[in-house]
Amino acid sequence: ETGVTQTPRHLVMGMTNKKSLKCEQHLGHNAMYWYKQSAKKPLELMFVYNFKEQTENNSVPSRFSPECPNSSHLFLHLHTLQPEDSALYLCASSQGIGGSSGGSEQYFGPGTRLTVT
Amino acid sequence: QKEVEQDPGPLSVPEGAIVSLNCTYSNSAFQYFMWYRQYSRKGPELLMYTYSSGNKEDGRFTAQVDKSSKYISLFIRDSQPSDSATYLCAMKLEYSGAGSYQLTFGKGTKLSVIP
Repeated sequence: ETGVTQTPRHLVMGMTNKKSLKCEQHLGHNAMYWYKQSAKKPLELMFVYNFKEQTENNSVPSRFSPECPNSSHLFLHLHTLQPEDSALYLCASSQGIGGSSGGSEQYFGPGTRLTVT
Repeated sequence: QKEVEQDPGPLSVPEGAIVSLNCTYSNSAFQYFMWYRQYSRKGPELLMYTYSSGNKEDGRFTAQVDKSSKYISLFIRDSQPSDSATYLCAMKLEYSGAGSYQLTFGKGTKLSVIP
């Protein structure tokens, strides 16, 4: 595997389910990110982890719970979601979070297409 | 006023045309400016990033930043069908000493290059 991988690629879940999204980066990066991409809306940054420590939480509802056990893996745990949470969830990684060379050059995974019914 | 404005298109051009994609922004504190390309069913990939006003060229792509007008552009010369994708502008503001930053994306412009 190379780059940033995400599983599953597609997920359909009911509002009472609990599921998890997984992201793995094979680039030796130290920072990882979760984004939400909805139709006709800008990409929204949800969470940032740097060296396994969460540095950003952009007012994301508690029904989304991130976990970063090490610099290569990132999870997004989902529970009691709403239909408006249906979107493409993208994971990204970068060498660092600061400066023009590190934080700006983010490498994205292909995303998980989530549908909440 | 939204922080970043980007015309969603769609924009359709013939092969070989020069394409101009633009974003305007309201926060003069943004420091880094980026363009990402996103193919259908794929994640975005970084095309260009710039730190200051002026032009930056990479092959057929030129990124232009005008901080005084709060306006950034991406030009694609000799456009190819393989350039058909959604182009996202993004802007970053780092908070000095805090180790955190604000990253704001435009909605994206969908481009189709017709053979």
